[in-house]
Amino acid sequence: DAGVTQSPTHLIKTRGQQVTLRCSPKSGHDTVSWYQQALGQGPQFIFQYYEEEERQRGNFPDRFSGHQFPNYSSELNVNALLLGDSALYLCAGHRHNTGELFFGEGSRLTVL
Amino acid sequence: KNQVEQSPQSLIILEGKNCTLQCNYTVSPFSNLRWYKQDTGRGPVSLTIMTFSENTKSNGRYTATLDADTKQSSLHITASQLSDSASYICVVSRGAGNNRKLIWGLGTSLAVNP
Repeated sequence: DAGVTQSPTHLIKTRGQQVTLRCSPKSGHDTVSWYQQALGQGPQFIFQYYEEEERQRGNFPDRFSGHQFPNYSSELNVNALLLGDSALYLCAGHRHNTGELFFGEGSRLTVL
Repeated sequence: KNQVEQSPQSLIILEGKNCTLQCNYTVSPFSNLRWYKQDTGRGPVSLTIMTFSENTKSNGRYTATLDADTKQSSLHITASQLSDSASYICVVSRGAGNNRKLIWGLGTSLAVNP
């Protein structure tokens, strides 16, 4: 059983560009949550997807958007990148409304 | 205000020694409390999840305690190893169902030196 997979693992973009990050949760996990973790900080909740809809959202601007596919995989899109968007983006999968989160290894985004 | 505070912010110990990390929370309504270990640049890994009725839960050399009355939790690491060097994050789950939210602490950075 594959764990949570995220891609790409590292990427570099310039200000103003757009980026798409991808996540596949473990088998049997129908909910995906996305987090942003700046260097030296704790993870900050971006949003959660269940049944292909955004169910919860943290304090992030509309530049951050997402999508969930019928196979439960998910994408995180960030438009008009800012230097401050440089961070580790973590995806966590779980069964809806149940406890344990299973995190991927993250996608390290650097915005120059 | 719903908050999770961890102490100490950072800690250095020698290999083989024990240590205890603290987590105080003011989260209501409480659902459960989790401890995660996060190696630098990697995703967090769950160590324990404790509900209101659980006082102690162990996972190998990691033992978590929960006092729901005082809203305090601790994570005790026994016979530390170099691989224990990581950030340990306390997370409290608030609410239930579709209203469930996770309140994250800032973590304790542990360095285990030879």
